[in-house]
Amino acid sequence: GQQVMQIPQYQHVQEGEDFTTYCNSSTTLSNIQWYKQRPGGHPVFLIQLVKSGEVKKQKRLTFQFGEAKKNSSLHITATQTTDVGTYFCASYDYKLSFGAGTTVTVRA
Amino acid sequence: KAGVTQTPRYLIKTRGQQVTLSCSPISGHRSVSWYQQTPGQGLQFLFEYFSETQRNKGNFPGRFSGRQFSNSRSEMNVSTLELGDSALYLCASSLGTGQGNSPLHFGNGTRLTVT
Repeated sequence: GQQVMQIPQYQHVQEGEDFTTYCNSSTTLSNIQWYKQRPGGHPVFLIQLVKSGEVKKQKRLTFQFGEAKKNSSLHITATQTTDVGTYFCASYDYKLSFGAGTTVTVRA
Repeated sequence: KAGVTQTPRYLIKTRGQQVTLSCSPISGHRSVSWYQQTPGQGLQFLFEYFSETQRNKGNFPGRFSGRQFSNSRSEMNVSTLELGDSALYLCASSLGTGQGNSPLHFGNGTRLTVT
């Protein structure tokens, strides 16, 4: 089945800086979903990308789906302490399969 | 709307015992999926139920089973517990279109510890 690889596994960011996390697949994806899990919490749906080259923004978060629909990225600008957590991408292949996640910590 | 409700929140069991976890989905959601989350393996798909039928199953041994009732509530059961079954078990509900375009809404999970 489809598998998505996420890099980096950990991201330590200075408050106010930008960072990007990536989600890659060796096969073409029908869509990609992104979730965020706060420490001690449960995954919460952020966004879904469906079209080739699609870009969606949610305040300081920018999500992009690659032209070949084999990769996706999440870019966060001006990181805040509220951005702490693990960000997962997920792809659908008869089931929703999650990447290993990028765990983000923020230095104030 | 009320969110996905999972009970119990915490559970401690001994090896060899069995356990049943419960999940009440968001009203109107007909699909319920179960995931196991561990630090080493991440989020692993267990199974999905839709309209009381198991629609998909992950790569877990037969000790893991589930069911869904007519009101869409779901239960999962793990028999003959092993230490490695210690994990956070997450239930997620969705509209369940079967096209993979319905977001999952997760419950708070049941933290199972096997001693």
